[in-house]
Amino acid sequence: SQTIHQWPATLVQPVGSPLSLECTVEGTSNPNLYWYRQAAGRGLQLLFYSVGIGQISSEVPQNLSASRPQDRQFILSSKKLLLSDSGFYLCAWSALRGEQYFGPGTRLTVT
Amino acid sequence: DQQVKQNSPSLSVQEGRISILNCDYTNSMFDYFLWYKKYPAEGPTFLISISSIKDKNEDGRFTVFLNKSAKHLSLHIVPSQPGDSAVYFCAASSGTYKYIFGTGTRLKVLA
Repeated sequence: SQTIHQWPATLVQPVGSPLSLECTVEGTSNPNLYWYRQAAGRGLQLLFYSVGIGQISSEVPQNLSASRPQDRQFILSSKKLLLSDSGFYLCAWSALRGEQYFGPGTRLTVT
Repeated sequence: DQQVKQNSPSLSVQEGRISILNCDYTNSMFDYFLWYKKYPAEGPTFLISISSIKDKNEDGRFTVFLNKSAKHLSLHIVPSQPGDSAVYFCAASSGTYKYIFGTGTRLKVLA
């Protein structure tokens, strides 16, 4: 069966510090991968998605970036965090155009 | 521009009764819809989907209805149970890998 992992589960970072969140998927090949953010009291905002290694599509202009160095690895990064980057970050995968399956999420607090 | 709307931020229902969660969309090109359930500090869990070629899909206690002319879908949970208390998101796709999520409805099932 397929499993998706995200870490860390929680993170507190000062403004201006770098960020790296990692997501890995097991049990499937060539998945579509997604990064979402849920701000407090808000819905799920799609940040990035990838349909293959090195292929990244950005949905929202921001100071975040994403990379896919391996087939089942998806990384969300920032060089300098802003207060507005606080939120709950979710990684998801899907097979082709099917349902998306989410990881457990990372709670990021920028102070 | 909110293409997928869940206009009721919260809903309370007695245990054993029917819960009806609503979702409206504006883009007539959406052709695949999903419902997710989310507990606090966890990733969303896929519940049920429906394609635009259908007007109903049922899975156990969960039924999704799609009214294309009204651009409206609803999720029915019968009978409602306390464990159903969570935030429910609808999501829509228009032939791509991307889904647009609504802002969610918090369901509380009262024992």
